[in-house]
Amino acid sequence: GENVEQHPSTLSVQEGDSAVIKCTYSDSASNYFPWYKQELGKGPQLIIDIRSNVGEKKDQRIAVTLNKTAKHFSLHITETQPEDSAVYFCAAGNAGGTSYGKLTFGQGTILTVHP
Amino acid sequence: DAGVTQSPTHLIKTRGQQVTLRCSPKSGHDTVSWYQQALGQGPQFIFQYYEEEERQRGNFPDRFSGHQFPNYSSELNVNALLLGDSALYLCASSLGWFDQPQHFGDGTRLSIL
Repeated sequence: GENVEQHPSTLSVQEGDSAVIKCTYSDSASNYFPWYKQELGKGPQLIIDIRSNVGEKKDQRIAVTLNKTAKHFSLHITETQPEDSAVYFCAAGNAGGTSYGKLTFGQGTILTVHP
Repeated sequence: DAGVTQSPTHLIKTRGQQVTLRCSPKSGHDTVSWYQQALGQGPQFIFQYYEEEERQRGNFPDRFSGHQFPNYSSELNVNALLLGDSALYLCASSLGWFDQPQHFGDGTRLSIL
């Protein structure tokens, strides 16, 4: 089955700096890669997603890049703010395939943004 | 526009008991997926329901079962509870089971004593 590795497990940055979180996946059939932000006591919130027919996607301060050949995808947050502090999860799935619903998650990255 | 709602928010049970958790999908969504999130870990897929049928299942034992109702809401049942079943149980909904984003509720925190 699919396996998703996420690094780093913790990330500490100063307000205004950029943050990068990286994930690798094992199943070449995976073609859908969402990123979720989870705050304390809350469920995961979808912040951005990318499909394998696109190499990069941006939404204001957040961007995701995908390298299908290397099976890598990354989350980039620019101009970080204290409210960006949370746990971030990457995931992989097979959109349009029979196993789509089964998202496989990484272990999470605890991002701390210091004022 | 109501998001995914789950009940109860917290639950305490003892080993061997049975539990039922409930989920109402986001308005307009017809597919419900259930995940288990152990402390400090990413969510793990349990199963997914669409058109009142289990469409996908993860690596969970038969003690975990579910149901989807005609109004798209869903239940997760766990029998013969073990200490290791203590976790946050998350429900996610989507439109169709094929390729639309999944949106999560805030979960039910289940503690087994």
